[in-house]
Amino acid sequence: NAGVTQTPKFQVLKTGQSMTLQCAQDMNHEYMSWYRQDPGMGLRLIHYSVGAGITDQGEVPNGYNVSRSTTEDFPLRLLSAAPSQTSVYFCASIKNNWGVGYTFGSGTRLTVV
Amino acid sequence: AQSVTQLDSHVSVSEGTPVLLRCNYSSSYSPSLFWYVQHPNKGLQLLLKYTSAATLVKGINGFEAEFKKSETSFHLTKPSAHMSDAAEYFCVVSDQNQGGKLIFGQGTELSVKP
Repeated sequence: NAGVTQTPKFQVLKTGQSMTLQCAQDMNHEYMSWYRQDPGMGLRLIHYSVGAGITDQGEVPNGYNVSRSTTEDFPLRLLSAAPSQTSVYFCASIKNNWGVGYTFGSGTRLTVV
Repeated sequence: AQSVTQLDSHVSVSEGTPVLLRCNYSSSYSPSLFWYVQHPNKGLQLLLKYTSAATLVKGINGFEAEFKKSETSFHLTKPSAHMSDAAEYFCVVSDQNQGGKLIFGQGTELSVKP
C-alpha cells in the first residue's frame, strides 16, 4: 500500500540509550520530514530533507540526527535518549508540489524513563 | 517568518449545530494553507488545502474553509457537527522557501455533545 510507514509504533527507552526511528515511503516523494508532537504545542519540525543526500535542521533538532541515503528512507536517530524526548513522532513526505499536502505516517509513541 | 495562531484551544458544540474553528496566519507572501485532523491515537489526515486558487475551499466530510487575505484568516467551518467530528484540528502553513516545511498551529480540540 502506498504511503508512509513508520516503525516501531511504540517504544520505551531508558535514559542514555540510543535508537533509530524508521520512516519509509513508496511514493517517490522528494521531501521528507520528522515532527514531534507534544500536548498543547502542535507539531514541531525536527529535521527535514529535500532529496537524497540533503538534510537540514528544523525548529527542534538538538538530540536528533538524520540521514537520507535513498529517496525512500529517512531514519531519525536518538543518540542518547533523555526524558524530554518523550513524545509522539511523525514522519511526513511530499512531492515537490507544496499544494498537494503532506502524507503523514501513523506515528511512533516514544517514552524515555 | 511565517506563523499560525489557532484562537481556541478547545471548542465544544452539540451534534447538529455549526462548527467554527478559527485560524490566523502570518506570512510575507502568498501562503499555502492546510487544515489537518487527528483523531485520538491516530495520525494526521488532510482535510483541505488552499493554494491561491478559489478562496472558498471545500474539503472532506463536509468541512470548508475561507481564505481572507485582508483578515489573514483561514477559519474552518461545517454546517452541522457529527459525533465522529470529535478530534483535534490543526491549521498549518507551508513555508515554500524552506523546503516546503510545515508550520503548525497549536491545535484546537473539538468536542461534540449528543
